[in-house]
Amino acid sequence: SQQGEEDPQALSIQEGENATMNCSYKTSINNLQWYRQNSGRGLVHLILIRSNEREKHSGRLRVTLDTSKKSSSLLITASRAADTASYFCATDGGSYNFNKFYFGSGTKLNVKP
Amino acid sequence: NAGVTQTPKFRVLKTGQSMTLLCAQDMNHEYMYWYRQDPGMGLRLIHYSVGEGTTAKGEVPDGYNVSRLKKQNFLLGLESAAPSQTSVYFCASSYLGRGNYGYTFGSGTRLTVV
Repeated sequence: SQQGEEDPQALSIQEGENATMNCSYKTSINNLQWYRQNSGRGLVHLILIRSNEREKHSGRLRVTLDTSKKSSSLLITASRAADTASYFCATDGGSYNFNKFYFGSGTKLNVKP
Repeated sequence: NAGVTQTPKFRVLKTGQSMTLLCAQDMNHEYMYWYRQDPGMGLRLIHYSVGEGTTAKGEVPDGYNVSRLKKQNFLLGLESAAPSQTSVYFCASSYLGRGNYGYTFGSGTRLTVV
């Protein structure tokens, strides 16, 4: 399966600390995306990184991609209680399977006030 | 500016009953998807559509059918519901399939089959 796998499964930190989540995948990709899901809600798109990009920033989010290791990381700096959510990476199937994304089981982040 | 709307939000079915979940988007997106999410697991793709009148199977299509008669609507049907289909179902849409844009998700339908 192309499904990405997040690590760790759960992460608990204090407000103000940085949170790092990792994603590994198995086959080549065109794009990798990160999503956030608050409890009982749908997923919200955070950031997309293309296979020819190594790093991307959006506000307090920093995403890196290492295609040689087939891995990505999501860093949330100066975390807030409102960042408490599950975070998912999603990978496409590469050149011949680009129009659908495969999701991992997510990292559950708890930011304690 | 509704985005992706799913109806119903909750439903309880008896084993063997059928039902249709409706997904509607108002963003003129070409691509639409149905996923299911089970506890401790990621989202698994059921079926998807790359345009009006087209559908294709995803990872877990068995027991489900779909139709995309209008560009803005994507229907998911359960022909004969089974307890294994108890899940939260999410619909998503995107503008271009090459992943150049993220998915927009609906808020989900929580289905329980008893």
